[in-house]
Amino acid sequence: DTGVSQNPRHKITKRGQNVTFRCDPISEHNRLYWYRQTLGQGPEFLTYFQNEAQLEKSRLLSDRFSAERPKGSFSTLEIQRTEQGDSAMYLCASSSRGSGAAEQFFGPGTRLTVL
Amino acid sequence: DQQVKQNSPSLSVQEGRISILNCDYTNSMFDYFLWYKKYPAEGPTFLISISSIKDKNEDGRFTVFLNKSAKHLSLHIVPSQPGDSAVYFCAATPPLYNNAGNMLTFGGGTRLMVKP
Repeated sequence: DTGVSQNPRHKITKRGQNVTFRCDPISEHNRLYWYRQTLGQGPEFLTYFQNEAQLEKSRLLSDRFSAERPKGSFSTLEIQRTEQGDSAMYLCASSSRGSGAAEQFFGPGTRLTVL
Repeated sequence: DQQVKQNSPSLSVQEGRISILNCDYTNSMFDYFLWYKKYPAEGPTFLISISSIKDKNEDGRFTVFLNKSAKHLSLHIVPSQPGDSAVYFCAATPPLYNNAGNMLTFGGGTRLMVKP
């Protein structure tokens, strides 16, 4: 399978716990994006990497959120001290440089439920 | 403020007929527009896109129309099939500069139901 993969697919945690999600982009894509989607809404941009550099962060990304892409391949998104408002679908996408760079290809998402 | 809006949360169409999904935007900096389809428990799947230098782009049964002066785009699906039943999101992005990445701004989605 050469698509974007995300793990885990589902995560249930108690408020106050830390969680970490992983995203593996399409192998030749150098750009990686994280979005969050809540029920009835479209995805909202969180952050973006070009290779290993985190180039943009949304104001939605509070200081409890941190994302890394250490070797320019897979990425992790960590949420510390989770709150019930963090419950959402976390989507990862990747894209390539050059023509067609605007098209982002999404993974299946990680659904987070904070109890 | 919502920069991309899809004012119809749902649309029901008979199989074989045309489906028209609408999207409005407010940010004049948006330069490139995309439509994604989403099935339950899956991530959004890219469907079709259009650059602001065009007013129409066609791919098989799917056609996207862009009216820049009205800041409006629409997705036409003809003929509609039951397998097209999904949530459709429009998205927009400013121009790509210096090979930089692009943040997509999404609308809230329209649920399309195609009845057999």
